[in-house]
Amino acid sequence: GAVVSQHPSRVICKSGTSVKIECRSLDFQATTMFWYRQFPKQSLMLMATSNEGSKATYEQGVEKDKFLINHASLTLSTLTVTSAHPEDSSFYICSAGSGRAYGYTFGSGTRLTVV
Amino acid sequence: KNEVEQSPQNLTAQEGEFITINCSYSVGISALHWLQQHPGGGIVSLFMLSSGKKKHGRLIATINIQEKHSSLHITASHPRDSAVYICAVRANRDDKIIFGKGTRLHILP
Repeated sequence: GAVVSQHPSRVICKSGTSVKIECRSLDFQATTMFWYRQFPKQSLMLMATSNEGSKATYEQGVEKDKFLINHASLTLSTLTVTSAHPEDSSFYICSAGSGRAYGYTFGSGTRLTVV
Repeated sequence: KNEVEQSPQNLTAQEGEFITINCSYSVGISALHWLQQHPGGGIVSLFMLSSGKKKHGRLIATINIQEKHSSLHITASHPRDSAVYICAVRANRDDKIIFGKGTRLHILP
């Protein structure tokens, strides 16, 4: 079945640094990838949608200059949290899809802690 | 009103009990997902449904498209099943995924 690999699973970084999270589709071509964020005890919330080869579409309230999304190939999308601050500490998860008929597969998530 | 509602929000049961978690949605969908989130945050995709019923081990998921309702059942529950179970639907209108708030399940030994 479709597998999405997300790395790293956990990362701790210092305030002001940047962190890159990778989401790879291992056995299918992901034309669309979604990035979500989950704060403690809250539901997953969509941050942005990216289609291969085009700019990501960000949800209202998500800073595109802070959360850089690159979907340069059909198997890889990256989310870079730039100049991270403690309030960016959260759980980030991606999901990837290859088209309407095939559904979406979720990565296992990345827990980011900014100290 | 949330477009995806789960019930119950919290559930504590004894080991061995049959567990049912419900999900109702109010939008047109192309697919429904059941996800399991462990205390550390890691998410496992359990099922993706567009119709009918799927079974994997002790887990069974059903969906009734007409009634806009899905259930996740766990047979012979075990403490290791303790997790948050999340229902998510893929909306027809924009292809985005809408998440329920999750059901926190605690199975007592």
